[in-house]
Amino acid sequence: QVTLRESGPALVKPTQTLTLTCTFSGFSLSTSGMCVSWIRQPPGKALEWLALIDWDDDKYYSTSLKTRLTISKDTSKNQVVLTMTNMDPVDTATYYCARIRAPSGDCLHDAFDIWGQGTMVTVSS
Amino acid sequence: DIQMTQSPSSLSASVGDRVTITCRASQSISSYLNWYQQKPGKAPKLLIYAASSLQSGVPSRFSGSGSGTDFTLTISSLQPEDFATYYCQQSYSTPSFGPGTKVDIK
Repeated sequence: QVTLRESGPALVKPTQTLTLTCTFSGFSLSTSGMCVSWIRQPPGKALEWLALIDWDDDKYYSTSLKTRLTISKDTSKNQVVLTMTNMDPVDTATYYCARIRAPSGDCLHDAFDIWGQGTMVTVSS
Repeated sequence: DIQMTQSPSSLSASVGDRVTITCRASQSISSYLNWYQQKPGKAPKLLIYAASSLQSGVPSRFSGSGSGTDFTLTISSLQPEDFATYYCQQSYSTPSFGPGTKVDIK
């Protein structure tokens, strides 16, 4: 059974750096075609894709947020970490991690098939 | 970046109704289009991938069609558990989602 779980602080102050961890089971990020992505959703608003990392350690970022984001993986721990710098109240959202399984080997061409439950992050002083 | 739009933004329907939601991409995305269902307080759930392929375990009343820039999600006979928000997402390039369509009870 594939599961993902997000963890991190529920509250951060403006200008601080947010660090979120996605811990997963049921698959390995060292397997060809496996990828993990981060997506967020402000309260009452739409989903916004943030970043993706694949089994080969290739990384992709949202154009609008790429200067603030870093994604990394620890294959031995089955974890993917996202850091977002210079947090602002507009970054208040539920942050999800999700898996992509790409038989073609190109994760950008496949869907998010399994999602974590999400973690709510509030940015406030 | 590829922009996604959806119409309508919301709709009211009754159990048993046929419901159609449209998604449009700002450029051709071939068939790289996925549909998700999200219920309040829950994570999105994949329904349709590659425009028309039904995800395992998803009821057959859900179907998808389209290619290029215009896509459709159809629910053939709306069930009580289908009241939710639906999002399209392109996977032609770095991912982007549509703004969502909320389906509520008439």
